[in-house]
Amino acid sequence: NAGVTQTPKFQVLKTGQSMTLQCAQDMNHEYMSWYRQDPGMGLRLIHYSVGAGITDQGEVPNGYNVSRSTTEDFPLRLLSAAPSQTSVYFCASSPNDKPYEQYFGPGTRLTVT
Amino acid sequence: GNSVTQMEGPVTLSEEAFLTINCTYTATGYPSLFWYVQYPGEGLQLLLKATKADDKGSNKGFEATYRKETTSFHLEKGSVQVSDSAVYFCALSAGTSYGKLTFGQGTILTVHP
Repeated sequence: NAGVTQTPKFQVLKTGQSMTLQCAQDMNHEYMSWYRQDPGMGLRLIHYSVGAGITDQGEVPNGYNVSRSTTEDFPLRLLSAAPSQTSVYFCASSPNDKPYEQYFGPGTRLTVT
Repeated sequence: GNSVTQMEGPVTLSEEAFLTINCTYTATGYPSLFWYVQYPGEGLQLLLKATKADDKGSNKGFEATYRKETTSFHLEKGSVQVSDSAVYFCALSAGTSYGKLTFGQGTILTVHP
């Protein structure tokens, strides 16, 4: 099992550019989520999904889109990058019977200039 | 709303010292409580959990007891090792917010030989 994988590991964008952060899991977990981690603020939930075709907003969804066409993949799209989106992004997944026991990917460090 | 407050870091200890990282919470209802750990360059991993009052979660020598009367879930370890150097996050899940975790800001622990 690879667990939760994320690509890329590092990315630099210019303001206004768009990109997609990839997340995949091979544990057949129904629940997947995206967090951003900023210094002194812990992790904040951006979007989450309870299964293929179902997504919902978390605490800080503005500027981000998600879709869930398969159980395995949960990409995060930045529509028009802003410096405020400079952060480390983590994807996580968990099984339906233990939704709070989340498995995290290694993260993507994004810098927007 | 739900919130988690952790003691401010960073915490620096010598090997074999006793560790306490304080965590208090505010939540509606009866949340489940978690400690996650993030080793350098990695994603978060679940360290331990407690799902009801007076439960004690334990793993790898770490312990935390769910104290409803003081709304606390302090992390303790009797003798830390250099390999315990990491960032520790307290988190909670509450009620109907399926799968959603609320994290504290994280506490950096450095253990010196």
